[in-house]
Amino acid sequence: QQQVKQSPQSLIVQKGGIPIINCAYENTAFDYFPWYQQFPGKGPALLIAIRPDVSEKKEGRFTISFNKSAKQFSLHIMDSQPGDSATYFCAASMALNAGGTSYGKLTFGQGTILTVHP
Amino acid sequence: DTEVTQTPKHLVMGMTNKKSLKCEQHMGHRAMYWYKQKAKKPPELMFVYSYEKLSINESVPSRFSPECPNSSLLNLHLHALQPEDSALYLCASSQVKLGVAEAFFGQGTRLTVV
Repeated sequence: QQQVKQSPQSLIVQKGGIPIINCAYENTAFDYFPWYQQFPGKGPALLIAIRPDVSEKKEGRFTISFNKSAKQFSLHIMDSQPGDSATYFCAASMALNAGGTSYGKLTFGQGTILTVHP
Repeated sequence: DTEVTQTPKHLVMGMTNKKSLKCEQHMGHRAMYWYKQKAKKPPELMFVYSYEKLSINESVPSRFSPECPNSSLLNLHLHALQPEDSALYLCASSQVKLGVAEAFFGQGTRLTVV
């Protein structure tokens, strides 16, 4: 129930293409769904995130689509560039904020290695 | 400023050494985390501190010892590690706002155990 399933494992597109990465979850207690971008040797950087009461969110060339009934969400990268080549992780978070404790527990997908060819 | 700073960036240690990883954030976040990441895998949660108290220990071996001296600092003390502990160690911090915890990661410490 804590798993987040991510697909595909790897993805190759040409510059200008629109790669789409998909994630699915089971636990309806998750309350926040971020995407992280990670370059080799670097830490994951928060790219974009969505709450389950919203069906779509756009930030620049990045869009999250969220389907609460299907328990699925996806990342679309418009006009992809070679600089977008990285590993992308979807995640689902559950916040705990009670009794003097306040944190969020992230469950990550397995990651997608994206390559954008010039 | 969404910066989490980790030092050192790289560390090579022998199996009998004692070393420490350091993490600092000045975003006023009250939750801090240690993750371990192996190549081509997602980060795995090790420890969570909330208000400087240990909230989660994901059954991590005692050769890893976390410490949270204050709300801005998080340390990970390492002793008698094994070669399989070689990995990228990531620190993160978050604050719960409007019911969600937005987490920011540092650049990591690349640890090699020889």
